[in-house]
Amino acid sequence: EDQVTQSPEALRLQEGESSSLNCSYTVSGLRGLFWYRQDPGKGPEFLFTLYSAGEEKEKERLKATLTKKESFLHITAPKPEDSATYLCAVRGGAQKLVFGQGTRLTINP
Amino acid sequence: GAVVSQHPSWVICKSGTSVKIECRSLDFQATTMFWYRQFPKQSLMLMATSNEGSKATYEQGVEKDKFLINHASLTLSTLTVTSAHPEDSSFYICSARDGLAGALEQFFGPGTRLTVL
Repeated sequence: EDQVTQSPEALRLQEGESSSLNCSYTVSGLRGLFWYRQDPGKGPEFLFTLYSAGEEKEKERLKATLTKKESFLHITAPKPEDSATYLCAVRGGAQKLVFGQGTRLTINP
Repeated sequence: GAVVSQHPSWVICKSGTSVKIECRSLDFQATTMFWYRQFPKQSLMLMATSNEGSKATYEQGVEKDKFLINHASLTLSTLTVTSAHPEDSSFYICSARDGLAGALEQFFGPGTRLTVL
């Protein structure tokens, strides 16, 4: 059974304090690993797709990396507006995504 | 691009009534649409997957006679909660995928908050 575990569950940082969020996964035949950002009361917003180990993608202060067992979302010099829940999901052979529980990130000014 | 809308954004109804939620892909053809339910401070729970023109595939434990899903066109899917009860109160989110383009990404709508009194 495909599984995704995200850590930490919650993370508080000061503005400008860089850190990383972890997403560990087990999947039969990885077709893609996805990162989403979700603000309270809204639907998830697509951030990145990673397809194979070694791949990296960047967007503004965010950088996602992928190994055969986990993915990291690195946040460099975060700002308060980066506060959100970050969701990781994988897709294997089935059409559906398997989501982790998310990491609630709070950036204090 | 890749915009998905939902309507309504929130709805309050009385117990026993039915509620329909619409999900539209605005700038792409959604060959596959998904319906999720989310409880406070929890992750997304997939309810069903629907391919355009086919019957929806429901996840284990989801009552297909209670949550009716229709995906009659490449841009529209609807979720009808029949005979709603307070325990059906939740945040419902749809997502869509452009299978014609071979894309794997799912793009999500803004969600619908359902409150059943």
